[in-house]
Amino acid sequence: AQKVTQAQTEISVVEKEDVTLDCVYETRDTTYYLFWYKQPPSGELVFLIRRNSFDEQNEISGRYSWNFQKSTSSFNFTITASQVVDSAVYFCALSRNDMRFGAGTRLTVKP
Amino acid sequence: KAGVTQTPRYLIKTRGQQVTLSCSPISGHRSVSWYQQTPGQGLQFLFEYFSETQRNKGNFPGRFSGRQFSNSRSEMNVSTLELGDSALYLCASSPTGQGGSLGANVLTFGAGSRLTVL
Repeated sequence: AQKVTQAQTEISVVEKEDVTLDCVYETRDTTYYLFWYKQPPSGELVFLIRRNSFDEQNEISGRYSWNFQKSTSSFNFTITASQVVDSAVYFCALSRNDMRFGAGTRLTVKP
Repeated sequence: KAGVTQTPRYLIKTRGQQVTLSCSPISGHRSVSWYQQTPGQGLQFLFEYFSETQRNKGNFPGRFSGRQFSNSRSEMNVSTLELGDSALYLCASSPTGQGGSLGANVLTFGAGSRLTVL
């Protein structure tokens, strides 16, 4: 069975703080894909990153970075120097035959 | 290019009624997936259509159905509405689809249709 766990329901930080959103997944497949999506108040999910199960390289994109560790089945997301515009719900997802989302983490960045 | 368009954006129905939601995918995308989002259950996969065929289906009762037209536009229908069907229904499109070696496809989501059942 596939499962994604985002243990942090809500996180609140002050602007310019760094914040890490945790994601742990379960799957028996050897080939799978991991995603992060952002859902701002408007409701539309926005794609942030995709990783396949064979690529454990970390990735950095501006203030965003992702740490994928197969050994711990984790795919964590870090925002450096957070900004108010980062406030949103962030979803981690696992894809094989259908996309399974975690429960989401609501991030609030206060000015 | 235009994004994924969902209509209507908001609607209110009463128990027992039925509702039809529409989704127009990005031009050239042949796969359309539907998701239900509620505060209690989160984002749950409903079904996926590709080339007018339902390829995958989530764990929802038969009251939830969908279809896809030859132009890739999709509709989903919920019959005999229940209070628990109140949710944000999200549609997503991708070039080919979810699953297997195609599971790498990035989904582009619409803004959703918010259904309230009274």
